[in-house]
Amino acid sequence: EDQVTQSPEALRLQEGESSSLNCSYTVSGLRGLFWYRQDPGKGPEFLFTLYSAGEEKEKERLKATLTKKESFLHITAPKPEDSATYLCAVRSGGGADGLTFGKGTHLIIQP
Amino acid sequence: EAGVAQSPRYKIIEKRQSVAFWCNPISGHATLYWYQQILGQGPKLLIQFQNNGVVDDSQLPKDRFSAERLKGVDSTLKIQPAKLEDSAVYLCASSPQGETQYFGPGTRLLVL
Repeated sequence: EDQVTQSPEALRLQEGESSSLNCSYTVSGLRGLFWYRQDPGKGPEFLFTLYSAGEEKEKERLKATLTKKESFLHITAPKPEDSATYLCAVRSGGGADGLTFGKGTHLIIQP
Repeated sequence: EAGVAQSPRYKIIEKRQSVAFWCNPISGHATLYWYQQILGQGPKLLIQFQNNGVVDDSQLPKDRFSAERLKGVDSTLKIQPAKLEDSAVYLCASSPQGETQYFGPGTRLLVL
């Protein structure tokens, strides 16, 4: 059974204070690790897909990295508008494409 | 390009009543998913459709939940009868086959 564990559960940072969110996973045959952002009252918004260890992707103040056991979402010099819940999900081998999600990290950026 | 549409946005019912949710995916997306997100948790897959066929419904509580995707476009998820533990956000997502999933805004269900 696929499992995704995210840490910390919640993180409060000052504006401009860089940090990293962790996503540990166990999966049989990784076919993609996904990061989504979810604002209150909205559906998840796609950020990144990573497929193999060593891969990195960047978007504005966010950078996602992947190893064989975990992924990190690095946030550099965050702004208050980066406040959200960040969800990590994996897609495993087999015919179905459904994602297994972690519980998310609730990030608050204080001005 | 229009995103995934869902309705209603909110629904309050009493236990043992029935309820239905509707989803219209992004145009051209063959794959449609329904997820359940309980407060404080990540989304959990309920069912995946490829066109109008079911690919995976292993986590769908079939004694009370049903879903259909007629003509391979819109989909409906039904709960009958509802239980208190069904209170959650029901998210619909769509994707081109095997690619990134895009989510709708969700339907917030409260069962009293």
